[in-house]
Amino acid sequence: SAVISQKPSRDICQRGTSLTIQCQVDSQVTMMFWYRQQPGQSLTLIATANQGSEATYESGFVIDKFPISRPNLTFSTLTVSNMSPEDSSIYLCSVVVTSDTGELFFGEGSRLTVL
Amino acid sequence: AQSVTQPDIHITVSEGASLELRCNYSYGATPYLFWYVQSPGQGLQLLLKYFSGDTLVQGIKGFEAEFKRSQSSFNLRKPSVHWSDAAEYFCAVGTYNTDKLIFGTGTRLQVFP
Repeated sequence: SAVISQKPSRDICQRGTSLTIQCQVDSQVTMMFWYRQQPGQSLTLIATANQGSEATYESGFVIDKFPISRPNLTFSTLTVSNMSPEDSSIYLCSVVVTSDTGELFFGEGSRLTVL
Repeated sequence: AQSVTQPDIHITVSEGASLELRCNYSYGATPYLFWYVQSPGQGLQLLLKYFSGDTLVQGIKGFEAEFKRSQSSFNLRKPSVHWSDAAEYFCAVGTYNTDKLIFGTGTRLQVFP
């Protein structure tokens, strides 16, 4: 298993500002992902955070809006840029510890409210 | 393309009653299947998973799920529900050559005393 810490756990932001969410894992992991969970909705994959290279984004998500860094095997950040109320969501970091099973472990999420 | 359907958006049961949450998937090969639970204000916790072998899998908290290939289903069951089981339940499907999971829309379980 893995222990995943996300910061901040929640925040309230103004329209047009940016916020960076941090994800720290207690062990080296092969895969790290960022998901979004909009109010009352399921989880949608934003991107795969690749160590030492640019993130791989899913359809509908772009680097300019959601820049991601992964400087090493235990840490990643997601920035939500130029926020609007539609960005109000829970953002979840997840990791795969054993790549042959695809089992995801999740952080507790960062609840973002944009006014 | 992979997809997951959870037909029941909201289910209400009495404490002590049995529970079955439905999950149907669409995928051309044998999928990896998961059930996660999300309690209010919490992250997601893995309840159980299926990769291969015995089609009836046991999970934590007394939950089990059965993989039925002929029905493309992976329904979650519990014989006797506890009030603490009230939460959102997500079914997810993955494949061997990728670690990405596709999640269903979730089923919200409410438990009455």
